[in-house]
Amino acid sequence: ELKVEQNPLFLSMQEGKNYTIYCNYSTTSDRLYWYRQDPGKSLESLFVLLSNGAVKQEGRLMASLDTKARLSTLHITAAVHDLSATYFCAVNGGATNKLIFGTGTLLAVQP
Amino acid sequence: NAGVTQTPKFQVLKTGQSMTLQCAQDMNHEYMSWYRQDPGMGLRLIHYSVGAGITDQGEVPNGYNVSRSTTEDFPLRLLSAAPSQTSVYFCASSSQTDLNEKLFFGSGTQLSVL
Repeated sequence: ELKVEQNPLFLSMQEGKNYTIYCNYSTTSDRLYWYRQDPGKSLESLFVLLSNGAVKQEGRLMASLDTKARLSTLHITAAVHDLSATYFCAVNGGATNKLIFGTGTLLAVQP
Repeated sequence: NAGVTQTPKFQVLKTGQSMTLQCAQDMNHEYMSWYRQDPGMGLRLIHYSVGAGITDQGEVPNGYNVSRSTTEDFPLRLLSAAPSQTSVYFCASSSQTDLNEKLFFGSGTQLSVL
């Protein structure tokens, strides 16, 4: 059974600082997704990572995937308050088409 | 495009009542799914469908039924609501032919069962 774990669950950081959110998953998968959710809102797709070594960047966020280690990272560079949200990773359960989500990381960027 | 439309946005039920959460998408997506979101537990997959007439169970299917008679619609039915089903429910869809296959989410339904 596919399990997806994120850490940390809560991250409080100062503006201008860098940090990384980690996403581990338990079984082989061919793709990994990162989503953002603002309070009381729906989920917004950030990145889709399709292969080992894939790296995608948008603004202050960069995501990478290591399928051999079953690990994805979401790196935040020079955080700003607008990045405050909950970030989820999700992994496709292979042929089953099930998308399994991690528990989420609540990011609070303090001035 | 409207994308993924969920109704209602809010609902309060009494224990034992039944109801249907509606989900419709206008993107001709083959794949549709229902998730529930509870504090500290992320999103958990309830049921999903890879096309009209095909449904399957997710992580937490008990207490919920689904059907997929058309490509556009994927309703979620609670036959006898329980307080444990108090949650926020999200419907999502994606294209099976798109390499990225990212999920598009509806705006959610806040359900309270008293």
